[in-house]
Amino acid sequence: DQQVKQNSPSLSVQEGRISILNCDYTNSMFDYFLWYKKYPAEGPTFLISISSIKDKNEDGRFTVFLNKSAKHLSLHIVPSQPGDSAVYFCAASGGGSTLGRLYFGRGTQLTVWP
Amino acid sequence: GAGVSQSPSNKVTEKGKDVELRCDPISGHTALYWYRQSLGQGLEFLIYFQGNSAPDKSGLPSDRFSAERTGGSVSTLTIQRTQQEDSAVYLCASSDRTSGRLETQYFGPGTRLLVL
Repeated sequence: DQQVKQNSPSLSVQEGRISILNCDYTNSMFDYFLWYKKYPAEGPTFLISISSIKDKNEDGRFTVFLNKSAKHLSLHIVPSQPGDSAVYFCAASGGGSTLGRLYFGRGTQLTVWP
Repeated sequence: GAGVSQSPSNKVTEKGKDVELRCDPISGHTALYWYRQSLGQGLEFLIYFQGNSAPDKSGLPSDRFSAERTGGSVSTLTIQRTQQEDSAVYLCASSDRTSGRLETQYFGPGTRLLVL
């Protein structure tokens, strides 16, 4: 049962434009959300996170938006650069019996072309 | 500073053999996690260690899988009698639980396991 879903397996964007990666979740106990970036043959690298008490968190070119009522979050990359080409994973964590573990989506392959 | 390290980086084994995968977490991190990523899938939680508490083993797919963490640092994931469906990338992560519950997990490069 996939509790975190990334419905777009791939996204292609021109350099300089905005990339928007989407993520949906089903478990209302989730209260911390993270985005990871993964290059081939490497482990995931932490990118940015947001807690459920906020609806936006910004770090340089990366902004994460959280819509709790819709159980939806998105990652915006502006401007996109060719080096951003990677697989992006959305992850979520919460309390109770799920404490500690991260639930991951299946990832979105972002390609930024010149 | 040093990140999470894992060894070996690649492992090819024959069906039925046992394998051991090692993880060295970031120094001082109290929590350690194992995940695996099968082809085309997201990361799947396997097991979680926090300090001296009993580990959360609820993600282990079968009793062929076990893990231990010695001295609160290095961890070993053991897969007995490997099967072809065990082929995946096994990822270890650690976090600093002392900073609060909303901690970030930092991942190692993974061990790519191929069972022939």
